[in-house]
Amino acid sequence: GENVEQHPSTLSVQEGDSAVIKCTYSDSASNYFPWYKQELGKGPQLIIDIRSNVGEKKDQRIAVTLNKTAKHFSLHITETQPEDSAVYFCAARSGRDDKIIFGKGTRLHILP
Amino acid sequence: DAGVTQSPTHLIKTRGQQVTLRCSPKSGHDTVSWYQQALGQGPQFIFQYYEEEERQRGNFPDRFSGHQFPNYSSELNVNALLLGDSALYLCASSPTGLDTEAFFGQGTRLTVV
Repeated sequence: GENVEQHPSTLSVQEGDSAVIKCTYSDSASNYFPWYKQELGKGPQLIIDIRSNVGEKKDQRIAVTLNKTAKHFSLHITETQPEDSAVYFCAARSGRDDKIIFGKGTRLHILP
Repeated sequence: DAGVTQSPTHLIKTRGQQVTLRCSPKSGHDTVSWYQQALGQGPQFIFQYYEEEERQRGNFPDRFSGHQFPNYSSELNVNALLLGDSALYLCASSPTGLDTEAFFGQGTRLTVV
């Protein structure tokens, strides 16, 4: 069935450095790839998304890249700040249905 | 705009009981999806409602059922609760269409004892 793999499960970076989270998906019909940030006790918050007709998208310190051939997509956070500490989820939605399949998450720690 | 709202925020139930969770979608959204998030895991798709009907379903037993009302709000019902049903239950809403953003509520934390 559809599957989304996410790595790493935990990531610690020094404040000001960059963080990269990588995901792969199995369903070739996937055409929408959102990224969510989840803070303790809260629901996932959409931070950026990319559609299959685009290779890269940037929003201030956050960027996402998509390689449809390899079925890879990645989240890049530059100039990390303490408030970036959270769990980040990648996800993929198939063009066949409306189900969003999530990765298992990456716990990002920003070290002072 | 209040966004997606869920109630209650926390709930404790005994094994074997039944529970009903509620969700009000974001204004302008007519599609509601429910997810189960176990501790330390990503959300797992339960089902989706559109036009008061279940449109998609994930790999969850029939003990999990739902309903959507004419005002697009939705309920998730779980019968014969098991200890393993303890999780954060998330509701997400989106407008019509397969290429639209989904916004999540803050979730209902269900604990089964």
